[in-house]
Amino acid sequence: GAVVSQHPSRVICKSGTSVKIECRSLDFQATTMFWYRQFPKQSLMLMATSNEGSKATYEQGVEKDKFLINHASLTLSTLTVTSAHPEDSSFYICSAKTRHPQSSYEQYFGPGTRLTVT
Amino acid sequence: AQSVTQLGSHVSVSEGALVLLRCNYSSSVPPYLFWYVQYPNQGLQLLLKYTTGATLVKGINGFEAEFKKSETSFHLTKPSAHMSDAAEYFCAVSAHTGGFKTIFGAGTRLFVKA
Repeated sequence: GAVVSQHPSRVICKSGTSVKIECRSLDFQATTMFWYRQFPKQSLMLMATSNEGSKATYEQGVEKDKFLINHASLTLSTLTVTSAHPEDSSFYICSAKTRHPQSSYEQYFGPGTRLTVT
Repeated sequence: AQSVTQLGSHVSVSEGALVLLRCNYSSSVPPYLFWYVQYPNQGLQLLLKYTTGATLVKGINGFEAEFKKSETSFHLTKPSAHMSDAAEYFCAVSAHTGGFKTIFGAGTRLFVKA
């Protein structure tokens, strides 16, 4: 149980275009989803926290107009990178928390999406 | 606020030797502590976690970690390294304050020599 999927796993886009990444909790309802960014050989940097039905909370330094997050349902959150530039190339990972109170501290991670902007 | 420090960005051990990856944390409230493993171009896999109760926690693949409050540490160990253990390891902390936001350490790359 507690499986999180991401789609696509890899995407290449041209500079100036937008790309959407989906994060789905497959067998549980996720009250909260998190989006992370990971540069090569570095740790995960939290970008934003997304709660179902409300606006995402962005971490300091993350441009909310560039990284649009939508959490439309209890099983789906999307991250849209708008007007992508080569410096947005990175590995994006989502995670989800269940609504079960006894497991509320635990996050389940997706497999990640490799974004390359040319 | 929470923070995590992993000592040593790279650790190299011989196959069959003890694995010790160090993690120290800072938290103003009782922490939840995690170790994750990441293989190249993959997401994170949870190795083990500490929430409450027994301070020695056992995880998958023979790993274990001990929560030492007095030392604010949560070091990861494995008695005998396998080649398949070569990966990146992340220590992480979260707490009920701040909505269980998880803070990750910088990671430690484990190399296993034949």
